[in-house]
Amino acid sequence: KAGVTQTPRYLIKTRGQQVTLSCSPISGHRSVSWYQQTPGQGLQFLFEYFSETQRNKGNFPGRFSGRQFSNSRSEMNVSTLELGDSALYLCASSLGTGITYEQYFGPGTRLTVT
Amino acid sequence: DQQVKQNSPSLSVQEGRISILNCDYTNSMFDYFLWYKKYPAEGPTFLISISSIKDKNEDGRFTVFLNKSAKHLSLHIVPSQPGDSAVYFCAASGASNFGNEKLTFGTGTRLTIIP
Repeated sequence: KAGVTQTPRYLIKTRGQQVTLSCSPISGHRSVSWYQQTPGQGLQFLFEYFSETQRNKGNFPGRFSGRQFSNSRSEMNVSTLELGDSALYLCASSLGTGITYEQYFGPGTRLTVT
Repeated sequence: DQQVKQNSPSLSVQEGRISILNCDYTNSMFDYFLWYKKYPAEGPTFLISISSIKDKNEDGRFTVFLNKSAKHLSLHIVPSQPGDSAVYFCAASGASNFGNEKLTFGTGTRLTIIP
C-alpha cells in the first residue's frame, strides 16, 4: 500500500507570492491533517479535513487555507507569503477522524520564502 | 503558549543503555498522549500512545509513563539501539472532548545513540 505522498517536496518562493501544496492520502483514508514544522515551534496543527469538510482548525491566520476533494486528496494554500512561513509542511492521513485513528505522515514539503 | 514542552532539545545515550525522554504539558483537558519518531527527510511515525486512564503502556522496548498529577510523561527505550537515533515528538490531545481532538506537539528531542 502506497504511503502518504506530498508534492512538491521542495519549493522556493518570494515574499508576497502564493503557494499551493498537495497531499495524497493513503488509499481508503478519509481524513487529512496539515501541520507546520519549524525549529522553534515544533509541529503546529493547521487544519483537518474529513469528507471534504474542515473539521478542525489551528491558530493560523486566514492566509492559510485548505480544501479536500472527493477522492480525499487535499491541498493547502498560503497567500501573501511572509519570510516566517518558511517551514516544513507535513500532511497526515488517517482512516477516520478522531485521535484514536493512527495518523500516517507524508515526508513533507520544504517551503523556503526569500 | 507552548502547551506541550520537551525541555531537552537533545540527548545522547550509550547503546544498550536506557533512553528516557521527557515531556510536560499544561492543559488539564489533555487526556490522550502519543510519541512520534522522526528520521531526517521523512514524516513522523507513530510510536506509542497512552490514555489518561492508564499510567503505563508498554510495547516491546518502548514504555510510556504518565503522571497526571505532575502533568508529565516520559518515554523509556530499553535497550537503546543505533536505529533509535531520531527526533522524538511528544503530542497530546483532548480525545474525549469531541471536536477538539487535534494534536498539540512538543518541539522534539533529538536522541543520539552512541555505539
